[in-house]
Amino acid sequence: SYELTQPPSVSVSPGQTASITCSGDKLGDKYACWYQQKPGQSPVVVIYQDNKRPSGIPERFSGSNSGNTATLTISGTQAMDEADYYCQAWDSSTACVVFGGGTKLIVL
Amino acid sequence: QLQLRESGPGLVKPSETLSLTCTVSGGSISSSDYSWGWIRQPPGKGLEWIGSIYYRGSTYYNPSLKSRVTVSVDTSKNQYSLKVRSVTAADTAVYYCARQHSSTSGNNWFDPWGQGTLVTVSS
Repeated sequence: SYELTQPPSVSVSPGQTASITCSGDKLGDKYACWYQQKPGQSPVVVIYQDNKRPSGIPERFSGSNSGNTATLTISGTQAMDEADYYCQAWDSSTACVVFGGGTKLIVL
Repeated sequence: QLQLRESGPGLVKPSETLSLTCTVSGGSISSSDYSWGWIRQPPGKGLEWIGSIYYRGSTYYNPSLKSRVTVSVDTSKNQYSLKVRSVTAADTAVYYCARQHSSTSGNNWFDPWGQGTLVTVSS
C-alpha cells in the first residue's frame, strides 16, 4: 500500500520560515494537499492541488510537490500557526486516500 | 455555506456495529462534483481514511477496513452513513465526515469537515 512519511515534529521561531515535508514514492506524480488541525478542532485544508490556497487561508502558507517530496512552507510563522499538519494524496492504483502520519509544528 | 454534522451513539459494545450518519446542510449531496467521505482519528493519533461514496452510490474503501465497513447514501434526506461491524477497542476514535473534492486527474481533498464525534468501544 502507498505510504506518506512526515517528520513527527518541526520547530520554528516566530517570524521565521517553517518547512514541513511529506515523502512518498513518486509523490510528485500525484496531487498533494495539506491540512491544519488545532487541538480539539477538525482539520482544515490549507493547501490543495499541490500549491493552491483556499480562500481565507493566509498567503504565508504555500506548497510545492516534486520528485518524492511535497513541502508545506509557512513564511513569517506566527504563534497561531502552532498545530498538527497532515499531508494527503490519492493513490489511483488502489483508489485510496492516503494520509501522512502528521507533523506537530512547534512555534518556540 | 455547506455544513456537515455527524450523529450517532457515543458508546458501542465490543463485537457490535458502529453506526453513524452525516447530515449535509447548505448544499445538495447529489452534486456530481463531489464524493462524501468518512475519516477517523484515534485519541492522540493521526488521521485514517475509512471510505467514500459518490451520490449515485459507488463506494471505495480503505483496504484495511473494507471487510467490516459499509458506506451508504440517502439523497432524499441529504445524508450518508457509516457502519463498522465487529468493533473492538481499536475502533475507538473521533469520526469525521467531510465533502471530498475529486477529479479524474487524481486531484483529491476534503473540505469542509464536520465537527467530529467521539465513539468509544467499551463494554
